[in-house]
This record gives sequence, C-alpha cells and structure tokens, in this order.
Amino acid sequence: AQSVTQLDSHVSVSEGTPVLLRCNYSSSYSPSLFWYVQHPNKGLQLLLKYTSAATLVKGINGFEAEFKKSETSFHLTKPSAHMSDAAEYFCVVPGGYNKLIFGAGTRLAVHP
Amino acid sequence: NAGVTQTPKFRVLKTGQSMTLLCAQDMNHEYMYWYRQDPGMGLRLIHYSVGEGTTAKGEVPDGYNVSRLKKQNFLLGLESAAPSQTSVYFCASRRGVGNQPQHFGDGTRLSIL
Repeated sequence: AQSVTQLDSHVSVSEGTPVLLRCNYSSSYSPSLFWYVQHPNKGLQLLLKYTSAATLVKGINGFEAEFKKSETSFHLTKPSAHMSDAAEYFCVVPGGYNKLIFGAGTRLAVHP
Repeated sequence: NAGVTQTPKFRVLKTGQSMTLLCAQDMNHEYMYWYRQDPGMGLRLIHYSVGEGTTAKGEVPDGYNVSRLKKQNFLLGLESAAPSQTSVYFCASRRGVGNQPQHFGDGTRLSIL
C-alpha cells in the first residue's frame, strides 16, 4: 500500500535562506508524487508533480523536488525563501484508483 | 476561469440540523471528490464520483451523503449534523485519464454547535 510521511510538522526559515521540506514515501512500485501548497483560508494548489519522466521536477514559484528511489524520498526545496511562501505544504501520492493519500502537512514559517 | 467553486464558504449549524454543500466545476472533469480537513490529519476522503450518476465511499463516509446528478456538480449532504463534523470541507475535481492532479476549491468552513 502507498503512504507518505512528512518528516517535519513545522519548518521555520529566514527570508532569503533555503527551504527544505522532507517527504518519504512507501510504495511497492515507482509512484507518481505531488506537492501541494495551501495558503491560509485557501484550497490546495498544485506545486509540482513527478511522473517518472525526470527525477528532478521543477514547479511553480521557484520550488523543485527530487525523486530518489534509493532513499524513497521526494523532498521539496527552494533556494531562497520569500515571505509569500509561508503556507502549509502537503506531499501526496495516488493511493490506487481515484484516490490521493496526503501527508499530514508541513507548516512553513518565513521570518524577515 | 472559475475552476472549482464551493458554496457556501462559511456556515454555522446546530446539532441535528441538515444542510447541503455545493461544488461546481467548469473544467468538464469526470472525477469529483469531497474531503474534510482537520488539524494534524491532512485531508481525508469522504466520497467521490467517477462520473455523472455515480458515487462511491471514501475513507470517512459515515454521516454524509452525496449526489452527482450533473457532471459539473457534486453535492455533499449532512442529514443530521454532529459536532464531530465541524471541519473544513474541500471539493476537488480532475480529468479521468492517467494520474492527473486534482484541482481544489477554496473550502467550506463548517461549525456544528
């Protein structure tokens, strides 16, 4: 069965410093993987998706993620945090027919 | 280009009252979903639909009913609201081909007193 684990419930960075949000997945095969972002009082917006075409995936707003099969990881990174990046981030894996399995989320705080 | 629209955005109910949440999408997507979001638990699937006239149970279906009479609309009903159903409800839709991402509405914040 597929599952995802987000290793940090909260991450705090200073504006202009790198961002790393960690996600490990469990799957019996090479899965598709998504990162979504949720800003306060908003729905979830797709940041990027991995579908096995390339292990390094670039998304919107300068985010990218690298699929590492040997480590079963799909960590989300950004070289330089902006105040507008403060939000909650979800690592997501398709869980079979029509379903998504969500991680518990990582809340990113960005300080001036 | 509205995408997925949820109504209402906020609602307060008393225990035992009923209500219906409406989700509408204008992307001609085949699949639609209802989730609830609670602190520290991510999103949990309540019900979903793979096409007009079809619905199926998700992870936490008890206390909810759904209907998909039109392709663009997916309704979530609470027949007798309970405080445990206080949550933020999200609707999503996606194309029916391949592992396409889901597109989400902005949510409905529901409080049951």
